[in-house]
Amino acid sequence: DAGVIQSPRHEVTEMGQEVTLRCKPISGHDYLFWYRQTMMRGLELLIYFNNNVPIDDSGMPEDRFSAKMPNASFSTLKIQPSEPRDSAVYFCASSFGGAVTEAFFGQGTRLTVV
Amino acid sequence: KQEVTQIPAALSVPEGENLVLNCSFTDSAIYNLQWFRQDPGKGLTSLLLIQSSQREQTSGRLNASLDKSSGRSTLYIAASQPGDSATYLCAVYDNTGKLIFGQGTTLQVKP
Repeated sequence: DAGVIQSPRHEVTEMGQEVTLRCKPISGHDYLFWYRQTMMRGLELLIYFNNNVPIDDSGMPEDRFSAKMPNASFSTLKIQPSEPRDSAVYFCASSFGGAVTEAFFGQGTRLTVV
Repeated sequence: KQEVTQIPAALSVPEGENLVLNCSFTDSAIYNLQWFRQDPGKGLTSLLLIQSSQREQTSGRLNASLDKSSGRSTLYIAASQPGDSATYLCAVYDNTGKLIFGQGTTLQVKP
């Protein structure tokens, strides 16, 4: 398996634009997590899914953020409209059975909003 | 609310030294605990997963321990090498599968 695949790797956008981040989890994994990493706040859990269903979205900072998982092999995190304070590295991770096995992370998407 | 703390935030040691990284968590009702490594500008690499029923896990020069009752885990690195320089992150799972991270310890091993 190629691991967790995220796209794009880098995204630069202007304030007010819509941004969509994409994630392909490891095949067979039933949990998918979205994290945001900044120097100030470290790794923050935004939302996670189990069997394509959102379980906990309490970490989503504002209504400008939304996430979907239309099927077991694809998830998106959308920011609309984007703001400079959204600049961060966004990671997607997947695991099988929740805490039963290790979580594996993608390489991340570095988002810069100017 | 579960909080995970890692001490120290940064550590610099000479090559060859044995070292210990600490992780503490406020809610002992965790399911499992996982240690990760992150190189600058890169993603997270899993190092060790400790099941809640285990007290320790070993992989090569790494040994991780878990004491749920006291809310602590340690990562022991033997005979450190410059290639071990990275940020080490501790994360705990609750019984819903949620994974909560500490802020990490940035390690520098000097040749």
